[in-house]
Amino acid sequence: QVQLVQSGASVKKPGASVKVSCKPSGYIFTSYDINWVRQASGQGLEWMGWMNPNNGNTGYAQKFQGRVTMTRDTSLKTAFMELSSLRSEDTAVYYCASLVASVLHWGQGTVVTVSS
Amino acid sequence: DIQMTQSPSSLSASVGDRVTITCRASQSINTYLNWYQHKPGKAPELLIFVAFNLQSGVPSRFSGSGSGTDFTLTISSLQPEDFATYYCQQSYSTPITFGQGTRLEIK
Repeated sequence: QVQLVQSGASVKKPGASVKVSCKPSGYIFTSYDINWVRQASGQGLEWMGWMNPNNGNTGYAQKFQGRVTMTRDTSLKTAFMELSSLRSEDTAVYYCASLVASVLHWGQGTVVTVSS
Repeated sequence: DIQMTQSPSSLSASVGDRVTITCRASQSINTYLNWYQHKPGKAPELLIFVAFNLQSGVPSRFSGSGSGTDFTLTISSLQPEDFATYYCQQSYSTPITFGQGTRLEIK
């Protein structure tokens, strides 16, 4: 079955960057887009962007343009999301999710805390 | 991008109540509409896929309907474990988009 395993929690200072990894299993890594979604405390799900693991094509939500970079390492079969210039409002749980047969399969989430 | 409008944004109900949540797309999405349940500290859980298909393992009190632009999620008899936040999500076109969420609270 499809499973996605994400990297562990991070604490970062304002202005720093964070890089979250996501390793899917249960399907061919390059077959399905990976989306990144976050949820800040008390807020709804917020879509950040997507990546095609086959060719590396990406699309980012306008809100994150210039601050987010989604990449992959096909040899490791792992996707990455890097968010730079962190501020306190970026404190959230970050999820990767593979879109398989029109349905999202989710990672367990990675808590990123931005605090001085 | 396709906009998804979910209503209500919050809802108070009692155990045993029948509850309906609606989701409207800004353009036709055929039946490419999924519903998720989200509880704090957990990943969202798929309830209904492609508008009306019940995900394996999900109780039959959950049901979905609709096509085109208008969709509903119905919980026929609320159970204590159903109090959570519910999201619709379209997968008709990239980028995927979510409704704003419906927070279901105990009355």
